[in-house]
Amino acid sequence: AQSVTQLDSHVSVSEGTPVLLRCNYSSSYSPSLFWYVQHPNKGLQLLLKYTSAATLVKGINGFEAEFKKSETSFHLTKPSAHMSDAAEYFCVVSDPPSNTGKLIFGQGTTLQVKP
Amino acid sequence: GAGVSQSPSNKVTEKGKDVELRCDPISGHTALYWYRQRLGQGLEFLIYFQGNSAPDKSGLPSDRFSAERTGESVSTLTIQRTQQEDSAVYLCASSPRVSPRAYEQYFGPGTRLTVT
Repeated sequence: AQSVTQLDSHVSVSEGTPVLLRCNYSSSYSPSLFWYVQHPNKGLQLLLKYTSAATLVKGINGFEAEFKKSETSFHLTKPSAHMSDAAEYFCVVSDPPSNTGKLIFGQGTTLQVKP
Repeated sequence: GAGVSQSPSNKVTEKGKDVELRCDPISGHTALYWYRQRLGQGLEFLIYFQGNSAPDKSGLPSDRFSAERTGESVSTLTIQRTQQEDSAVYLCASSPRVSPRAYEQYFGPGTRLTVT
């Protein structure tokens, strides 16, 4: 079975400071991992994905994540937060495309950015 | 090009009534998924369609829920005898399922269902 655990339900940072959103995964396969962002009253947007290539993955809007197999982690980081980064962030593991490819979502982390 | 579209965007219904939600996937995408997002939570997988294969219904929460898809086009999710716990945003996603984009799912805006 596959699952993800987002370690913080709410993270608050000041504008211009680093962002760290933590995610641990459990997978019986070689995992494919994603981060999605959901802004208020907007749809889900893919930030970045890891699919067994480079372990440091760069995404949109300056976000990146590092796959660490030894720690079963896929934490999301950004060097400097912007007000527009305030949103809900979901860590996601995928069932292999050779199976259903369905996505298994974490419970989400709300990122608050203070001026 | 056009993204995934869903209708209606909002639906308010009385407990016990049936509702039907519609999803139009991106043209050419062979895979289609339905998810449910309850308030303040992540998405829960409901059902998966891939081409003409039998759907994976393992995520449907009860036999009041059903879904259909005609070929590789429109899908409808039907909830019979709605209950208040069915209130949620129902999201549809489609995927090309072709490498190198096999993992990518494109989400629609969702249908917000409120059962009163």
